[in-house]
Amino acid sequence: SQTIHQWPATLVQPVGSPLSLECTVEGTSNPNLYWYRQAAGRGLQLLFYSVGIGQISSEVPQNLSASRPQDRQFILSSKKLLLSDSGFYLCAWSGRRYEQYFGPGTRLTVT
Amino acid sequence: KQEVTQIPAALSVPEGENLVLNCSFTDSAIYNLQWFRQDPGKGLTSLLLIQSSQREQTSGRLNASLDKSSGRSTLYIAASQPGDSATYLCATYSGGGADGLTFGKGTHLIIQP
Repeated sequence: SQTIHQWPATLVQPVGSPLSLECTVEGTSNPNLYWYRQAAGRGLQLLFYSVGIGQISSEVPQNLSASRPQDRQFILSSKKLLLSDSGFYLCAWSGRRYEQYFGPGTRLTVT
Repeated sequence: KQEVTQIPAALSVPEGENLVLNCSFTDSAIYNLQWFRQDPGKGLTSLLLIQSSQREQTSGRLNASLDKSSGRSTLYIAASQPGDSATYLCATYSGGGADGLTFGKGTHLIIQP
């Protein structure tokens, strides 16, 4: 069966510091991968998606970036965090039916 | 641009009741619709997926329906239990390759013991 991992589970970072969140998927090959953000009082917002290694599409202009160095690894990064980057970051994958499955999430607090 | 609305935003009912959660979307050209459950501080758990050609899907005490022409979906929960307490999210997928889901803001459900 397929599983999706995210780490760290929680993170507290000062404004201006760098960020690296990691997501890995097991039990499937060549999945579509997604990064979403859930901010307080707002719905889930798609940030990035990827259909393959090195292929990244951005949905929202921001100071975040994403990379896919391996087939089942998806990384979310920032060079300098802003207060507005605080939120709950969720990674997801989808298979042939485009049903999406989500990871446990990373709670990011920027102070 | 697709917009997804969920009504009510919050709902509190006594244990044992049957209940209906509503989801509406503005663009009927969807590929599928998915219902999720989210517990506090946790990720999303997929409950039901309805393809655009389907009218409903069932899993245990859950039944989801889809009316594409009117832009509506409902999630029916039978014989509610305290363990059903969570936020329920509806999301549409419009196809076009690997585009993401468009989510509603959810219905926060509390089942009173």
